[in-house]
Amino acid sequence: AQSVTQLDSQVPVFEEAPVELRCNYSSSVSVYLFWYVQYPNQGLQLLLKYLSGSTLVESINGFEAEFNKSQTSFHLRKPSVHISDTAEYFCAVRPRRFNAGKSTFGDGTTLTVKP
Amino acid sequence: ETGVTQTPRHLVMGMTNKKSLKCEQHLGHNAMYWYKQSAKKPLELMFVYSLEERVENNSVPSRFSPECPNSSHLFLHLHTLQPEDSALYLCASSQEDTSEAFFGQGTRLTVV
Repeated sequence: AQSVTQLDSQVPVFEEAPVELRCNYSSSVSVYLFWYVQYPNQGLQLLLKYLSGSTLVESINGFEAEFNKSQTSFHLRKPSVHISDTAEYFCAVRPRRFNAGKSTFGDGTTLTVKP
Repeated sequence: ETGVTQTPRHLVMGMTNKKSLKCEQHLGHNAMYWYKQSAKKPLELMFVYSLEERVENNSVPSRFSPECPNSSHLFLHLHTLQPEDSALYLCASSQEDTSEAFFGQGTRLTVV
């Protein structure tokens, strides 16, 4: 069994400010970790993922997330946000073994970037 | 464009209608999924197909009926829906032995 908790349902920030979206998870099996982004009236798009290796992973648009095994966290950060980053962000986990269970998504965090 | 295409993008239907949602993936994946996304609620996994066999059905009402005729296509047949079934329905696909899911843009369903 696994669960994902996104600690903030809404995060308002000003443009060019740093932001952190928090995600904690629990699982009885080894998992992959993901952040997805959803823009209005669209599906989810993969932002970044942690599979193995370096615990710090980066996306092409300046986001990064760090896997912390001891704290079972996978927080998403960006040092300077843009208006275009306004969206819903979902943290998700999936068992490494496909038939060990389905993906589990957090409830989502709405990031609103204000000018 | 993610390689997963859903049609229609928007659908309004009465409670006595029958309609179908279609999903097509061009990624060579062997697993496909239906999710329901309602306002103010978590993403709900409805069905999972792996190698064209249904491997998961999360207590979804029988008024939703999935069909996976081949590994590239997935349908969700709808009949006698309720207003609370209004939501964004998302299709996704993945390759079993890799990790992430690829999502379509969704069908916004309104039941009147």
